[in-house]
Amino acid sequence: DVQMTQSPSSLSASVGDRVTITCRASESINNFLNWYQQKPGKAPELLIFAASSLQSGVPSRFSGSGSGTDFTLTISSLEVEDFATYYCQQSSTTPYSFGQGTRVETK
Amino acid sequence: QEQVVESGGGVVQPGRSLRLSCEVSGFTFSNYAMHWVRQAPGKGLQWVAVVSFDGGHKYYGDSVKGRFTISRDNSKNTLYLQLNGLRAEDTAVYYCARDRADSSAWSGALNVWGQGTVVTVSS
Repeated sequence: DVQMTQSPSSLSASVGDRVTITCRASESINNFLNWYQQKPGKAPELLIFAASSLQSGVPSRFSGSGSGTDFTLTISSLEVEDFATYYCQQSSTTPYSFGQGTRVETK
Repeated sequence: QEQVVESGGGVVQPGRSLRLSCEVSGFTFSNYAMHWVRQAPGKGLQWVAVVSFDGGHKYYGDSVKGRFTISRDNSKNTLYLQLNGLRAEDTAVYYCARDRADSSAWSGALNVWGQGTVVTVSS
């Protein structure tokens, strides 16, 4: 099974900061990598699919990159509504798997 | 609008069974693969299972294989998850989610989610 490892597990940032979250797969998953945002008590929301494609309706300050085993989610300028937990997910091979999550907190 | 609504959660004793349902509206259910994802209290997301658009293909996570069964009734616009042999570690919010790919080959990216239904396994 493919294991997904995110880093960091949490980070503190301020509005306007550039934020980068990384995700590493235990084997190559090509570009079958998706990113989600989850706020407390809510369902996750898809941000990025296929490593770098922005889901419809998601602000352009979110971007994704990478292929193979190493991937990055970048928030170019953090907004108040971006404080949340972010998960990567591989959809290359079942069982699909998520990273452990990265909590973005206010500094 | 596109919507999925889960139901069927509750408190159940270890070893017992439960069936979750997910009723969809606002899109053509029979065109999409559907997934279940769960989240234990205070923990991360765990993918549970997927069923193809026509019900012909099903895959499961390792921790539920042989105990859980995913199915669908396209005439009722409803997805199901049968949970048998429940364990304390199955306690979680169970989310129903739609695959974003409108085709026979699903993408694994999930772009429509329900609010979740809570399953608690406890004696």
